[in-house]
Amino acid sequence: AQSVSQHNHHVILSEAASLELGCNYSYGGTVNLFWYVQYPGQHLQLLLKYFSGDPLVKGIKGFEAEFIKSKFSFNLRKPSVQWSDTAEYFCAVNARNSGGYQKVTFGTGTKLQVIP
Amino acid sequence: DVKVTQSSRYLVKRTGEKVFLECVQDMDHENMFWYRQDPGLGLRLIYFSYDVKMKEKGDIPEGYSVSREKKERFSLILESASTNQTSMYLCASTPHSAQGNSPLHFGNGTRLTVT
Repeated sequence: AQSVSQHNHHVILSEAASLELGCNYSYGGTVNLFWYVQYPGQHLQLLLKYFSGDPLVKGIKGFEAEFIKSKFSFNLRKPSVQWSDTAEYFCAVNARNSGGYQKVTFGTGTKLQVIP
Repeated sequence: DVKVTQSSRYLVKRTGEKVFLECVQDMDHENMFWYRQDPGLGLRLIYFSYDVKMKEKGDIPEGYSVSREKKERFSLILESASTNQTSMYLCASTPHSAQGNSPLHFGNGTRLTVT
């Protein structure tokens, strides 16, 4: 069964600091990888995704993520965070289950708090 | 823009009640999902559906059932609500994609409290 691990549960950074949030998944086949963000009081929205091609993908608001197949990782990065990046971040994997249907599995999330 | 609408933002129900959570999407998406979101546990998949009248169990289906009679509507049913089902429930939809690279579109969530 597929699973997703996010090891950082709560991260506190000062503005302008660099950010890296870890995401590891377990699944032996082809996967599509996503990062979603949930700002306080809002619904989940897509930050970026990877499904093929260049393993370094860029998303909205200056975020990027790198897919490293050998490490089963898809870490999220931002060179310089802003107070408005305070949110909860979720890594997700879309892979086919045993029935052949696409199933999306999420990690436990990382709460990012940016201090002005 | 895709809109996923969950009928209630907040619900308070008593233990043992039958609870219906409704979700409607307006973009003709084939796939629909129900998740629950709990602090420290992230989003856990309860059920999903890839077509009308079709359903698949997710990771935590116990105590829940679903109904998909029409393409745009996916209902989550708690047959006999219990306090451990107090949670935020999120509905999501996505079009069918052979590559599986379509992102999920989420509703605003229903915060259910079972007393």
